[in-house]
Amino acid sequence: EAGVAQSPRYKIIEKRQSVAFWCNPISGHATLYWYQQILGQGPKLLIQFQNNGVVDDSQLPKDRFSAERLKGVDSTLKIQPAKLEDSAVYLCASSLAGRRDYGYTFGSGTRLTVV
Amino acid sequence: GNSVTQMEGPVTLSEEAFLTINCTYTATGYPSLFWYVQYPGEGLQLLLKATKADDKGSNKGFEATYRKETTSFHLEKGSVQVSDSAVYFCALSGSEKLVFGKGMKLTVNP
Repeated sequence: EAGVAQSPRYKIIEKRQSVAFWCNPISGHATLYWYQQILGQGPKLLIQFQNNGVVDDSQLPKDRFSAERLKGVDSTLKIQPAKLEDSAVYLCASSLAGRRDYGYTFGSGTRLTVV
Repeated sequence: GNSVTQMEGPVTLSEEAFLTINCTYTATGYPSLFWYVQYPGEGLQLLLKATKADDKGSNKGFEATYRKETTSFHLEKGSVQVSDSAVYFCALSGSEKLVFGKGMKLTVNP
């Protein structure tokens, strides 16, 4: 089966600019996650979708970050305006709904550098 | 809330050395436990998992046993290879949400 697709792979922007990342999960996976991985740290959950509804966005900086999953399939994460501390790898993952023992499948990530 | 604590690196070993990476957790209920690996320049890959107490997960020569009495899930490998050089993350899943440790970077030298 195809894996989780993410694009772009790399992005360099100046602070205060905006940026968007795209994710296409594994077909049939109802649950989609966006994680932020800062260098030297473990991934931190930003937002979790179940189909097109938000389940958990408690750690999403909503003043600058937004995410949507309009048709319950692919998703977009946006940062506007970006700050230097947003430099990180943004990982998308998907899983079968209700299967917490299944583990997640991660995409290769988008490495964002804010200068 | 749920949390994972794993030993911090970086760690450098010689090829064929024994590897242990400690991981302990705090969680309510009965979480599933995972080890993920991240090779240089790549995304996270599931290495192994265990879903209940005393389960042993294994893959590619790595093993970890779910110890509820000590709330631990230590990763072991008897003989590491250069190709095992990567960052290893311990994680737990409560109600679907996956929580990660900080990761440990392993370098294996020939």
